[in-house]
Amino acid sequence: DQQVKQNSPSLSVQEGRISILNCDYTNSMFDYFLWYKKYPAEGPTFLISISSIKDKNEDGRFTVFLNKSAKHLSLHIVPSQPGDSAVYFCAAPMDSNYQLIWGAGTKLIIKP
Amino acid sequence: DTGVSQDPRHKITKRGQNVTFRCDPISEHNRLYWYRQTLGQGPEFLTYFQNEAQLEKSRLLSDRFSAERPKGSFSTLEIQRTEQGDSAMYLCASSLVFYEQYFGPGTRLTVT
Repeated sequence: DQQVKQNSPSLSVQEGRISILNCDYTNSMFDYFLWYKKYPAEGPTFLISISSIKDKNEDGRFTVFLNKSAKHLSLHIVPSQPGDSAVYFCAAPMDSNYQLIWGAGTKLIIKP
Repeated sequence: DTGVSQDPRHKITKRGQNVTFRCDPISEHNRLYWYRQTLGQGPEFLTYFQNEAQLEKSRLLSDRFSAERPKGSFSTLEIQRTEQGDSAMYLCASSLVFYEQYFGPGTRLTVT
């Protein structure tokens, strides 16, 4: 049973436009969410997080929105840049030991 | 650079052989995690250490897998009698207190 779902395997966006990556979760006990970015042949890199007490968190070009009633979060990147081309993972901590439950990832391709 | 390092980066082995991977976490991080990732999937939790104590181990981890973290510093992951299904990227991550885990570049294992 996938508790964190990323239903879009890939997304292609024009450079300079907004990229929106989506993530759904089923476990209402999740109270913190993270986005990671992964380039080929590298480990995931932490990008941005959000606590369930907030509905928005912003860091430069990256904004994460959380809709708890819909169990949905999204990552907005604006403006999109070529270096943003990577696989983006949504993750949530399972318990107090911080075991992360991951989505399958979305491959973002930024077109020049 | 004081990030998480992993060695080796690539390992090719024959079925039935034993392999051992090493992870050096960020020095002040007391928590260390091992994950496995296959193509098109997010990382899958294997095991977790707090200092030298192994506090959690995935039920998916067979008895052929063992991990250690002597003295709470570096960690090793050993796979005995490797099988072709063990072929994957093995990721190590460390963290201090917060949810954000910092990943190494991974060890890609190919079992022939």
